[in-house]
Amino acid sequence: ETGVTQTPRHLVMGMTNKKSLKCEQHLGHNAMYWYKQSAKKPLELMFVYSLEERVENNSVPSRFSPECPNSSHLFLHLHTLQPEDSALYLCASSQERGGQETQYFGPGTRLLVL
Amino acid sequence: GQNIDQPTEMTATEGAIVQINCTYQTSGFNGLFWYQQHAGEAPTFLSYNVLDGLEEKGRFSSFLSRSKGYSYLLLKELQMKDSASYLCAVRDSNYQLIWGAGTKLIIKP
Repeated sequence: ETGVTQTPRHLVMGMTNKKSLKCEQHLGHNAMYWYKQSAKKPLELMFVYSLEERVENNSVPSRFSPECPNSSHLFLHLHTLQPEDSALYLCASSQERGGQETQYFGPGTRLLVL
Repeated sequence: GQNIDQPTEMTATEGAIVQINCTYQTSGFNGLFWYQQHAGEAPTFLSYNVLDGLEEKGRFSSFLSRSKGYSYLLLKELQMKDSASYLCAVRDSNYQLIWGAGTKLIIKP
């Protein structure tokens, strides 16, 4: 048990749907992350929130919209996705303390866009 | 550009030893991480190296050579449950994690 939970674990959606992914961390951390993991590719960092402020947005299409209402919760709102967005979406958290922090991951949401 | 290279797949025998290599070219270096990821599960932290040398943690050890841009993860006394993907990640000068694509390790009886 890593202390980071994600729901749903699996999601199938059409290109016109709107859905949200939820992440919750129970570790008291002050930073949270969204990653995309595609088969045989490196993890792609999408968004970083530190102290509930977005500090990183790696040229992610606007059809992905993050929300961080507090330090324990992170959402990824999805709309008008494309089939190439099908992937495993991982949430992680860490306690920032000068760059040596370890990221702890949730189990991910397996997303299939039809 | 920044790059992390590790083999795509390796096969080893139960009870044996396997070494998974990772080479990196990054803008600066602020530590190297190894994670284990079982299929369908979260990546879990294994080790962190920031200074040259070997860090041992039970059956797992991780080695770092900053001058060579090289690390390896050594797994001893392999067990079937060690079948997983092993991810190498380097923290660059901006403290951003750069990830390798992972090495899928298959353990055979």
